[in-house]
Amino acid sequence: AQSVTQLDSQVPVFEEAPVELRCNYSSSVSVYLFWYVQYPNQGLQLLLKYLSGSTLVKGINGFEAEFNKSQTSFHLRKPSVHISDTAEYFCAVSAHNNAGNMLTFGGGTRLMVKP
Amino acid sequence: DAGITQSPRHKVTETGTPVTLRCHQTENHRYMYWYRQDPGHGLRLIHYSYGVKDTDKGEVSDGYSVSRSKTEDFLLTLESATSSQTSVYFCAISESPGLAEETQYFGPGTRLLVL
Repeated sequence: AQSVTQLDSQVPVFEEAPVELRCNYSSSVSVYLFWYVQYPNQGLQLLLKYLSGSTLVKGINGFEAEFNKSQTSFHLRKPSVHISDTAEYFCAVSAHNNAGNMLTFGGGTRLMVKP
Repeated sequence: DAGITQSPRHKVTETGTPVTLRCHQTENHRYMYWYRQDPGHGLRLIHYSYGVKDTDKGEVSDGYSVSRSKTEDFLLTLESATSSQTSVYFCAISESPGLAEETQYFGPGTRLLVL
């Protein structure tokens, strides 16, 4: 079984400042890692995912994440945030079973960008 | 955007009444999922389907049933709604053959309030 911990439930930050949203996972098998974003009153959309290869993954809207196998982490970063980045961010892991990919989500981190 | 609709988008019901939520997709994807979203818990899988008439339980399936008679429709039923089932419900889809690295695409959500 897999589990995901997002260490911060809320992250306030000023516009144009850098931000890091932390995600740690545990699993007994190899996993794939995802970050999803949920804007207010909307569904989730994929921000980026790590499957294999380079541990630095670039996503949409200037976000990137780094996979660290030894620390079982997949932290999300952006060098300069905008007001429009205000949203809830979910880290998730998946592992294949015999019926399809099963996503396990963290509890979410609410990013609040202030002017 | 993936063609996923959910209906209704909002519902208020009373304890003990049956409720059915519908997810409709136009992508012809094989895999469909129902999640519930609650503060601090992220999204948790209720049930999923890997084909017509093929369904299985997720992490929080007690009190819920599902049916899939057509590729495009996945129904979630609360047989006798309880206040603990007040939540936001999301449908998701992923393409065949449902590999673990595949992205799941989410619908807009249904906000359910059980009084």
